[in-house]
Amino acid sequence: AAGVIQSPRHLIKEKRETATLKCYPIPRHDTVYWYQQGPGQDPQFLISFYEKMQSDKGSIPDRFSAQQFSDYHSELNMSSLELGDSALYFCASSLRASGRRSYNEQFFGPGTRLTVL
Amino acid sequence: KQEVTQIPAALSVPEGENLVLNCSFTDSAIYNLQWFRQDPGKGLTSLLLIQSSQREQTSGRLNASLDKSSGRSTLYIAASQPGDSATYLCAVRWNYGGATNKLIFGTGTLLAVQP
Repeated sequence: AAGVIQSPRHLIKEKRETATLKCYPIPRHDTVYWYQQGPGQDPQFLISFYEKMQSDKGSIPDRFSAQQFSDYHSELNMSSLELGDSALYFCASSLRASGRRSYNEQFFGPGTRLTVL
Repeated sequence: KQEVTQIPAALSVPEGENLVLNCSFTDSAIYNLQWFRQDPGKGLTSLLLIQSSQREQTSGRLNASLDKSSGRSTLYIAASQPGDSATYLCAVRWNYGGATNKLIFGTGTLLAVQP
């Protein structure tokens, strides 16, 4: 079965540089989520999109932005990178059934490991 | 504030033992609860999802229960194997107006199954 695809899997950047992470959700899933997991920490929610519109926002720095495109893939753009941005960035997707209660199970991608030097 | 807590933080058991991982959460108005497995430096694998209306879910040697009134969920692993060694994360989605769909994670339980 198709899973969530994230690219790149690993990324090394210098401080103050810019990074773009990509996420391709499971086919037919309409909701995408971004999470950040620092070393030894639990995943923290950043932002989510439903049908290409931002649906929820967590502790996402102003230096970060994200969007969901017409083909439902999403990109997380990170500017002015700081050492503290080094983390695993996960994308997850789910299907929200309209008009009735749905399971909304979130399926996670393998993550992008960002290292800021 | 909505929080998820997992106890114990780490657990070491001999192979073959049955074990229970605990998850507690503030505020019983949850939408659903997911249990995940994470291997070191790897992604999150969804193990079980329990809807707020359900009391338990089973998959193979795994059984997850939910008691909303007491704010608790347990993950039961039967006949543990060394391959079960990983960090197990509990994550809760609360239900407020349908707009909040984020998962809030616990800090996880690091499980080591000794051969």
